Amino acid sequence: SAVISQKPSRDICQRGTSLTIQCQVDSQVTMMFWYRQQPGQSLTLIATANQGSEATYESGFVIDKFPISRPNLTFSTLTVSNMSPEDSSIYLCSGTSGSIAADTQYFGPGTRLTVL
Amino acid sequence: SQKIEQNSEALNIQEGKTATLTCNYTNYSPAYLQWYRQDPGRGPVFLLLIRENEKEKRKERLKVTFDTTLKQSLFHITASQPADSATYLCALYNFNKFYFGSGTKLNVKP
Repeated sequence: SAVISQKPSRDICQRGTSLTIQCQVDSQVTMMFWYRQQPGQSLTLIATANQGSEATYESGFVIDKFPISRPNLTFSTLTVSNMSPEDSSIYLCSGTSGSIAADTQYFGPGTRLTVL
Repeated sequence: SQKIEQNSEALNIQEGKTATLTCNYTNYSPAYLQWYRQDPGRGPVFLLLIRENEKEKRKERLKVTFDTTLKQSLFHITASQPADSATYLCALYNFNKFYFGSGTKLNVKP
C-alpha cells in the first residue's frame, strides 16, 4: 500500500493569485493523478502527472491554468494559477503502483481551497 | 455522452441489515470497476475491484457484483454497522483513467 500526504491541507486565497499543492507518496508509484472534487460531487480528473515529462490533461483543463510537475516517482505538485472563486474546490492527488489495471488507487487527504 | 450514475439520495438503513448500493453506467466498456469509501474531509479509500470477466467479488462483509450486459454494479454490505456510515463511490477504469460516480451516502442507524 501507499500513504499519500498533501500540503497544504487547506488554504484561503485571493483572486488572481496562485497556489501550489504538494503531493508526497511514501513509496514509488507508477501513476499519479490530480482530481478536483466539489462538495457532494464526483471526482473530476484534471490530469495524469507523468514523471519527467509534461502532464496529460483532460478536456477542459490546460497547462497554463494547472501546471503540474512530477520530478520523481514519489512527488508531484499542482499549481492553480490566476485563481478565481470558481476554482474553490477540494484538490486530491492519487497514486497507483504496479500494474495500473490491477492495482488500487491511493488518495491523499485532499487540499481544500477557497478563493475569495 | 458517458455517464456513471449512483443514487444521489442517501440510503438509511438499520444496523444489522444489508445495504445495497447501485452503480449504473452508459457508453463505457470498462475493464475494471472499483468501489471506494469516502468519509467527510478525507480522500477516498479503495475497497474492492472487480474485473469485467468476474460476476462477483467478496471481501469480509462486502460483496460486489458486475453485470456488463446491464451495465451495472451492485455493492452490498452485510450486517451493517454504524461505522459503515460514509459515502461510497464507484469508479470505472477505462483507457488508463478512472471515472468516478458522485457517490451514495449511507447512514446506518443503531
